[in-house]
Amino acid sequence: GQSLEQPSEVTAVEGAIVQINCTYQTSGFYGLSWYQQHDGGAPTFLSYNALDGLEETGRFSSFLSRSDSYGYLLLQELQMKDSASYFCAVRDIYNFNKFYFGSGTKLNVKP
Amino acid sequence: DGGITQSPKYLFRKEGQNVTLSCEQNLNHDAMYWYRQDPGQGLRLIYYSQIVNDFQKGDIAEGYSVSREKKESFPLTVTSAQKNPTAFYLCASSPSSGTQNEQFFGPGTRLTVL
Repeated sequence: GQSLEQPSEVTAVEGAIVQINCTYQTSGFYGLSWYQQHDGGAPTFLSYNALDGLEETGRFSSFLSRSDSYGYLLLQELQMKDSASYFCAVRDIYNFNKFYFGSGTKLNVKP
Repeated sequence: DGGITQSPKYLFRKEGQNVTLSCEQNLNHDAMYWYRQDPGQGLRLIYYSQIVNDFQKGDIAEGYSVSREKKESFPLTVTSAQKNPTAFYLCASSPSSGTQNEQFFGPGTRLTVL
């Protein structure tokens, strides 16, 4: 099975840098993805790490270490609009069409 | 514009009634999914379908049913057997092959049982 753990809530100030961690226990997966969801909205895809290391997309970066069963999403130059929930997710290696999501981290950005 | 549509956005149901939530996609994706989200929680998989006329139970399928008669459509029926159906329901789709690892989500349907 798959299990992904995230902190439930993180608070940071505008302009700061924040890291959202995701630790996992899986029987095998293709890679680690991150999604953003604003209150009442649909999750939207942010990034994907197929291999270990850092992937950068603008202000957002994502990191994966398979040996440590750990990944994180790094948000830089925080803006008020970044206040949302962030979910890590994996795609099952034994069933390509099955995804597992973490419980999500609510990010509160304060002025 | 390619995407996923869900209707209605808000739905109210009396206890004991079945209700069907619509999900349509024009992304030409083979795989479609239904998730349930409760306040402050993650996404829990109800059902998924990898191809037309085929679907599998997810982690919380009891009290729900689905059909996949067309590639574009994957409706979810919440039956009276579902004991606590009030939740936010999200439909998603994804390609079944290749290196893409993204799921595309619809805007969701918020179901309230009165």
